[in-house]
Amino acid sequence: DAKTTQPPSMDCAEGRAANLPCNHSTISGNEYVYWYRQIHSQGPQYIIHGLKNNETNEMASLIITEDRKSSTLILPHATLRDTAVYYCIVRVVQSQFYFGTGTSLTVIP
Amino acid sequence: GAGVSQSPSNKVTEKGKDVELRCDPISGHTALYWYRQSLGQGLEFLIYFQGNSAPDKSGLPSDRFSAERTGGSVSTLTIQRTQQEDSAVYLCASSLGSQGAGYTFGSGTRLTVV
Repeated sequence: DAKTTQPPSMDCAEGRAANLPCNHSTISGNEYVYWYRQIHSQGPQYIIHGLKNNETNEMASLIITEDRKSSTLILPHATLRDTAVYYCIVRVVQSQFYFGTGTSLTVIP
Repeated sequence: GAGVSQSPSNKVTEKGKDVELRCDPISGHTALYWYRQSLGQGLEFLIYFQGNSAPDKSGLPSDRFSAERTGGSVSTLTIQRTQQEDSAVYLCASSLGSQGAGYTFGSGTRLTVV
């Protein structure tokens, strides 16, 4: 799987949009981009995934650049409960996930 | 069940003892993973089961670690002759295994070797 690069930490004001970047410059054509988050002392939680097109669900939006070398996870209205470590992962179908160190997002009141 | 269930939630064992950790995946999920997470660290892949295929054991750190999945459902991770460095949270995840499907993780088993 391709490696990903994420900033180690970010802050976001409560109620504002949180934009979490991820670089995956060596991504292959058959690799998807996944986002998970891990709230303290819990197992990771699936957020969203995509291949080429931008995706949106009830939790977040995923913006993937046209060359697929980077992506951004957007939490449109961050709440204190969104404070967590966010992992960006690229993988081919039916292979294991390799979790990096992620971005520690702190939502500030 | 509604989610991935792991047991026990906490386990304290003496160095040198064997332990078994159990994972009940979501019914019908064909893919099952084990990861571990040491304090303050990221997730480390251990083993992957997909349907009836041979498991991917490439992440197991030593031959003291083994896992099986009976009947394509419940999985047991066994650690023999536990060492203090085995202390971690052991996480199990399952998925339908369909193209691009996300994984659902359990809450983990916190293993402490004293």
